[in-house]
This record gives sequence, C-alpha cells and structure tokens, in this order.
Amino acid sequence: DGGITQSPKYLFRKEGQNVTLSCEQNLNHDAMYWYRQDPGQGLRLIYYSQIVNDFQKGDIAEGYSVSREKKESFPLTVTSAQKNPTAFYLCASRYWHLDEDRETFFGQGTRLTVV
Amino acid sequence: GQQVMQIPQYQHVQEGEDFTTYCNSSTTLSNIQWYKQRPGGHPVFLIQLVKSGEVKKQKRLTFQFGEAKKNSSLHITATQTTDVGTYFCAGKVTTSGTYKYIFGTGTRLKVLA
Repeated sequence: DGGITQSPKYLFRKEGQNVTLSCEQNLNHDAMYWYRQDPGQGLRLIYYSQIVNDFQKGDIAEGYSVSREKKESFPLTVTSAQKNPTAFYLCASRYWHLDEDRETFFGQGTRLTVV
Repeated sequence: GQQVMQIPQYQHVQEGEDFTTYCNSSTTLSNIQWYKQRPGGHPVFLIQLVKSGEVKKQKRLTFQFGEAKKNSSLHITATQTTDVGTYFCAGKVTTSGTYKYIFGTGTRLKVLA
C-alpha cells in the first residue's frame, strides 16, 4: 500500500533535548511538508521541500530543522531552541507540478510531549 | 501576510440539523481544497474546486467556491454522528512561478445524538 509513515506515534522527551521525527513516503511525491497542530487550532507550516536536497522555511520554522537527502524521507528535528514543542506534528506529501493540482496526503501524525 | 480564515471555529449541532462552515481568503485563490480530520486522526482530502462559482456535491455535503475565488463554503445537510471532526479548507496561492496551499484555521464540528 502506498502512503506516508510517521514514527513514532507518541513521543516523550525531556526539556532541553533534541528529538527527530521520522517521515517516509512511498508515493513517489516530490513535495513534502511538516505541519504543527495545537489543540483546537489549524495547521501551521514548519518546513517544506519540493525537491531532494532543497527545503524552505514555512511560517513557524524557528527551533526546527529538516533534511531531504532522499526523495522518500523528510525527517524533522525539534531542537531545544523551540520554546513550546509539545504539539501534534503532521507530515504530508503531494505530487508537485506548477500546472497540476493534486491532493495532499497526510501521515498519521506524531504526538510529541516535552516534560 | 496571506491568510485563510474559517468560521465558525466550533459548532455543536443536534443530529439531523444542518451545518455550514465558511472559508475566507485575503487573496484570490487559484483553487480550494477541503479536508476532514476525524478526532485523533489526520486530515483526509474531500474535494477540490477550481472554477469561479463552482458547486460540487458529495451525498449530503455541498461545496461552493465564490465568484471572486476568495471564499468557499461547505454545507452538510442532516448531520450524522459520523460527520464529527474538524473541517479544513486549503487555498492555493500562486506567485512568481510557484504556489503554495494555505490551510484555514479549521472548524470543529460536534454532533449530538
């Protein structure tokens, strides 16, 4: 089955520690995204990548870092510089073409709790 | 900056009542997509609207795209408990040879049996 796999589903970390969230897709999508969702709030874009070895900051990139070494993978690191890291993190991907509009596929999400 | 606002933020309805959520953009959109996120789940694509004034239906759900392509609505007729969740719109904004989708703030629907 094609899809997006995020792991782990739940993650607990101590304050001050960096943590990396995994995201893998086998949909052959060029574009991948990381969103943050806080309770009762919408989706806020953290980082996105439209091609391997290239990525751009979204609206709330501070305290986060990403890499895109492979088309299938787009891991997100939540660093100790992120002031309020506890949230639900969603990875997403999409076929990207300037003249075509496709849906965005989301992973199951990782719920990160920092204590 | 570019924003997509949704109203209301929350809506509680009795089962069988109708429900509508509205999506408003500060800029003209190339198209708009709608997603549903069940409690504890992830957003799932529902539909895409492209043309000005377009109306599409999926069973009890009716989607509209405004004439100016700056607003959209989702109407559910005779809600059921399976309609519970958060509904998001995502507007496509095209600039300088590229584009991005801006997600709305979402409307959380609760259906009381």
